[in-house]
Amino acid sequence: EVQLVESGGGVVRPGGSLRLSCAASGFTFDDYAMSWVRQVPGKGLEWVSGITWNGVSTGYADSVKGRFTISRDNAKNSLYLQMNSLRAEDTAFYHCARIPASYYYFYYMDVWGKGTTVTVSS
Amino acid sequence: EIVLTQSPGTLSLSPGERATLSCRASQSVSSSYLAWYQQKPGQAPRLLISGASSRATGFPDRFSGSGSGTDFTLTISRLEPEDFAVYYCQQYGSSPLTFGGGTKVEIK
Repeated sequence: EVQLVESGGGVVRPGGSLRLSCAASGFTFDDYAMSWVRQVPGKGLEWVSGITWNGVSTGYADSVKGRFTISRDNAKNSLYLQMNSLRAEDTAFYHCARIPASYYYFYYMDVWGKGTTVTVSS
Repeated sequence: EIVLTQSPGTLSLSPGERATLSCRASQSVSSSYLAWYQQKPGQAPRLLISGASSRATGFPDRFSGSGSGTDFTLTISRLEPEDFAVYYCQQYGSSPLTFGGGTKVEIK
């Protein structure tokens, strides 16, 4: 079964850091680009970041550029999102999602994880 | 940035009725690079349509997507109880990727 399971969410103070992880299974991880998408509860979806299969190319939403870093470890079938200088507006549910392409992190997403919650609050 | 506006915000219909959901882009979406997702409460979004009209695996043919340029439509020909959910459109034709605000299809 194709599966993405996120972890690493939690409550953090403004200015703090968190590292999200996404464990992939059921497919050949390094055949796919990957992305992170966030969702404020009860609200819509916002693309956060994407990465190609080999990690060479990455992209970020303007709202997180310079603060968040996406990375992957193909040997561990894992995707990561390092989040620094967190703000209250980063509070959301963070989904890991698979992109059905290798070289384009800028695409649609065909498999999604259930997500992990990040709350930024003092 | 391409802004996607979905309408209506909420669609109240009965099982068996036809649902027509609109997604309008502020600029032309190149190559019809538009996707639709279905999301049910407590679940992750699920890919429904890509390339404006290609239905994803697992969805029946009562779901169809159409449109090009700035106007796209998702049609559910006859609503089944399991179709009541929130539907989002997403464009991937230009940076940054953007989503519409969603249309909730609820039981009347």
